[in-house]
Amino acid sequence: GENVEQHPSTLSVQEGDSAVIKCTYSDSASNYFPWYKQELGKRPQLIIDIRSNVGEKKDQRIAVTLNKTAKHFSLHITETQPEDSAVYFCAASTGSARQLTFGSGTQLTVLP
Amino acid sequence: NAGVTQTPKFQVLKTGQSMTLQCAQDMNHNSMYWYRQDPGMGLRRIHYSVAAGITDKGEVPNGYNVSRLNKREFSLRLESAAPSQTSVYFCASSYYGYGSAEAFFGQGTRLTVV
Repeated sequence: GENVEQHPSTLSVQEGDSAVIKCTYSDSASNYFPWYKQELGKRPQLIIDIRSNVGEKKDQRIAVTLNKTAKHFSLHITETQPEDSAVYFCAASTGSARQLTFGSGTQLTVLP
Repeated sequence: NAGVTQTPKFQVLKTGQSMTLQCAQDMNHNSMYWYRQDPGMGLRRIHYSVAAGITDKGEVPNGYNVSRLNKREFSLRLESAAPSQTSVYFCASSYYGYGSAEAFFGQGTRLTVV
């Protein structure tokens, strides 16, 4: 089955700096890569996703890049703010949510 | 629209006790899932269902049973709770099939087995 590895497990940045979280996947058939944000005590929520026919996708301060050849994808957050502090999960799927495999999560802390 | 609602929010069980976690969604989704979240291990799928009456095992199914009696509801049962089942449990739902892969999560159940 699919295996998704996520790094780093914890990340601290100064407010206004950029943050990058990286994930690798093992199944070359995976074609859908979402990122979820989970604030403390809350449920995970989708913040951005990318499909394998696209190399990069941006939504305001967040972007995701995908390298299919190397089987890795990354989340980029620019101009970080305290409200970006949360746990971020990457995931990979062969197309449907029932096949989502999640990474182990990254605790991002934005320091004021 | 309440989205995905699960109950209870917190539960403490003694080893060997049983309980059922309830989940309901009002988004007309075909598929529903149960995940457990443990520190450093992300979200792992326990069981899932693509339609009423159809369930299948996920990555960590041992010790859990599920029931999908109708489209809205998907329950998770622990027949004989063990300390290793201490975790945060999330129910989720999505449309079935390709093209709409976003999973919507409930608010979670924090279960402690002592």
